Amino acid sequence: KQEVTQIPAALSVPEGENLVLNCSFTDSAIYNLQWFRQDPGKGLTSLLLIQSSQREQTSGRLNASLDKSSGRSTLYIAASQPGDSATYLCAVSGSARQLTFGSGTQLTVLP
Amino acid sequence: ETGVTQSPTHLIKTRGQQVTLRCSSQSGHNTVSWYQQALGQGPQFIFQYYREEENGRGNFPPRFSGLQFPNYSSELNVNALELDDSALYLCASSPSQETQYFGPGTRLLVL
Repeated sequence: KQEVTQIPAALSVPEGENLVLNCSFTDSAIYNLQWFRQDPGKGLTSLLLIQSSQREQTSGRLNASLDKSSGRSTLYIAASQPGDSATYLCAVSGSARQLTFGSGTQLTVLP
Repeated sequence: ETGVTQSPTHLIKTRGQQVTLRCSSQSGHNTVSWYQQALGQGPQFIFQYYREEENGRGNFPPRFSGLQFPNYSSELNVNALELDDSALYLCASSPSQETQYFGPGTRLLVL
């Protein structure tokens, strides 16, 4: 059974800082990995999707890496802003394309 | 905007009642998945429908059931509601079992 763990559970940083969120998964037989953002009480917004054959994806200030063999992914956020405050969720997709999520990292960027 | 809508946005029911939640996907999205997200947790996979047939199910009892219609809408039905069913219910659709687009969710409170 796939299990996804995200560390840290919560993070508070001053504006402008670069930061790294971590995600680990137990079964390396994944189809892809996605990072999502969730604002309080809202649905999920997909940030980055990395196929199992890829090593990283970039979108603006966000960069996600994937090391499938070690079961790890990181989300790097450059020059953080108060608007980045949200919960960040990592999810892996297996052959059935169902997503298994971690519990998320709650990020607060202080002005 | 993902083009996925859900109704209602909020719902209050009492224990033992039945509830139907609705999701409307984009045209051409022939895969729909439902997830349950308890407070402070990541979403958990309930089931997936592909071309109106159930195509995978998570660890949820049979009182959780679903339907997918030809017009790209779908329903999640929960019978005999329990207090632990209180959660945010998310619908996600996809054109090809790849990137999933999430709706804003329905928040269900069971008293």
